[in-house]
Amino acid sequence: GAGVSQSPRYKVAKRGQDVALRCDPISGHVSLFWYQQALGQGPEFLTYFQNEAQLDKSGLPSDRFFAERPEGSVSTLKIQRTQQEDSAVYLCASSLGGYTEAFFGQGTRLTVV
Amino acid sequence: GENVEQHPSTLSVQEGDSAVIKCTYSDSASNYFPWYKQELGKRPQLIIDIRSNVGEKKDQRIAVTLNKTAKHFSLHITETQPEDSAVYFCAASKNNDMRFGAGTRLTVKP
Repeated sequence: GAGVSQSPRYKVAKRGQDVALRCDPISGHVSLFWYQQALGQGPEFLTYFQNEAQLDKSGLPSDRFFAERPEGSVSTLKIQRTQQEDSAVYLCASSLGGYTEAFFGQGTRLTVV
Repeated sequence: GENVEQHPSTLSVQEGDSAVIKCTYSDSASNYFPWYKQELGKRPQLIIDIRSNVGEKKDQRIAVTLNKTAKHFSLHITETQPEDSAVYFCAASKNNDMRFGAGTRLTVKP
């Protein structure tokens, strides 16, 4: 595709439910980032992949959050036992690496009720 | 990890005036500093970036300055227009690990 694609665009989950958010980066992009953006706030770093290697996961807020990129392309962010505080827009971005622009997907808006 | 602070959180200017947004970063090894613009309900999009070996970069009405010694960088928008109204985010990147500031909501009044 022409850009970073995220699915679903919107997700409503009941508290305690597990969710999986998908990111399809731009083909050939080495770096992939996940961010959490609360309403009116800046993107907060969650985790970063270079190809299939997860180089930094220090931003994941708890062990309920897990991300993977097994083949160095598509990435999935999984949240187990969702809580209300997990409600946010989850943004994925990819780049060629180095001093290059990171392109963002449209985000997945997660609402936990 | 890298910590990026951004000021002000909100900025309101009159059309035609200039707007300045400032960011500081903590990790002296950061070497790439992009600025993103996010319109309501849309994804962040790059508007300008600067590398650590450059002190200033300009693109039409937008300019960015970098002071590596002081670890701060700024976005300057001149001759502001209503369509410049958006949230602007600075970021600092080291080894492809990119961290963002909290954002500045810019409102340009016609």
